[in-house]
Amino acid sequence: DVKVTQSSRYLVKRTGEKVFLECVQDMDHENMFWYRQDPGLGLRLIYFSYDVKMKEKGDIPEGYSVSREKKERFSLILESASTNQTSMYLCASSLFPTGSGNSPLHFGNGTRLTVT
Amino acid sequence: DQQVKQNSPSLSVQEGRISILNCDYTNSMFDYFLWYKKYPAEGPTFLISISSIKDKNEDGRFTVFLNKSAKHLSLHIVPSQPGDSAVYFCAASAVYGGSQGNLIFGKGTKLSVKP
Repeated sequence: DVKVTQSSRYLVKRTGEKVFLECVQDMDHENMFWYRQDPGLGLRLIYFSYDVKMKEKGDIPEGYSVSREKKERFSLILESASTNQTSMYLCASSLFPTGSGNSPLHFGNGTRLTVT
Repeated sequence: DQQVKQNSPSLSVQEGRISILNCDYTNSMFDYFLWYKKYPAEGPTFLISISSIKDKNEDGRFTVFLNKSAKHLSLHIVPSQPGDSAVYFCAASAVYGGSQGNLIFGKGTKLSVKP
């Protein structure tokens, strides 16, 4: 069974801090994703990666960057945290690039980030 | 502009009855549709999917129906159980230039199944 592990369940950071959210998957999936979930807005894609050292912008990349130095690890970086980045952050992986019907996304349990 | 719409933020159903969750989409290029279920404090989990070449897919108590002409899909849960209480997300993806695009999610519908 695929396991996607996010290192922190809850984080509280101050405005302007640099924040690292870590994600590790154990199924040798090449494709990894970062989403944020906000009430009334659903899940929105921030960044994704199809391979080591490769990254692509999603729908809302502003204020974020990512790092994929190893296949199993995908990090989301908030360069200078702001209050509007308070959210639930979800990491996911999939066998094929998109998480479509024949290769669904496998999500971690999320990191609830609060920026004060 | 929302491409995947779940117009009902919440739904309440009695245990044992049918739950019907609806999803509308605008992009005729979508060729794969998925439903995810999310419990509080957990990540979404994949529930069931359907390809655009089909109009129905069934897995146990869960059935997804696709009406391409109406750009509408629905998830039926029969019989509903209290453990089905969760937020359900509809998602879709399309092929662009020969490559499958990323999933686009709806805003979710919170299902409450009352004993």
